[in-house]
Amino acid sequence: DIQMTQSPSSLSASVGDRVTITCQASQDITDYLNWYQQKPGKAPKLLIYDASNLETGVPSRFSGSGSGTDFTFTISSLQPEDIATYYCQQFDNIITFGQGTRLEIK
Amino acid sequence: EVQLVQSGAEVKKPGESLKISCEGSGYSFTNYWINWVRQMPGKGLEWMGKIDPRDSYTDYSPSFQGHVTISTDKSISTAYLQWSSLKASDTAMYYCARRRELPGPDAFDIWGQGTMVTVSS
Repeated sequence: DIQMTQSPSSLSASVGDRVTITCQASQDITDYLNWYQQKPGKAPKLLIYDASNLETGVPSRFSGSGSGTDFTFTISSLQPEDIATYYCQQFDNIITFGQGTRLEIK
Repeated sequence: EVQLVQSGAEVKKPGESLKISCEGSGYSFTNYWINWVRQMPGKGLEWMGKIDPRDSYTDYSPSFQGHVTISTDKSISTAYLQWSSLKASDTAMYYCARRRELPGPDAFDIWGQGTMVTVSS
């Protein structure tokens, strides 16, 4: 299986901050990577697909980049409603998720 | 409204069988694969497997192959996840999720609300 190493595992930031989460694949997955947001007690929500494409209806402060083995997810200006756990997911081979990044407001 | 609605929470004993459901509405059910994802208490997401509702073709994660069965009844737009003999370690939230329409990326654009399964003696 392809292993996805996501970092950091938790993050505390202030409203308005730029927030960055990284995801590293154990082998080249080209751009076969998605990002999800999961708020407490809720199902995950798709934010970014194919590494950098914003899902319809998702605010433009969310973005993704990268290819190959190294990927980045960015929130350009953190909002209170962005408090959640974020997961990367690869689909190059058997689908696997990163371990998640818990984002809190400072 | 496009949605997946899952069956309610279950409490079972070890060794019992269980089948949970996921009903799609607001879209053509047979045009989209359905996936199942496990989330153990306080843990991350694990992909279990998927099914093509057109022909019931299934593909399982090796971690779950042989432990669960995924099926579908396209006549009622419903997918299922079942166990023949539950273990305490099956205690988790289970989500069904729709894959984006082919030939697009293997991304899950619609999720059910989750079914909590508790296995305890």
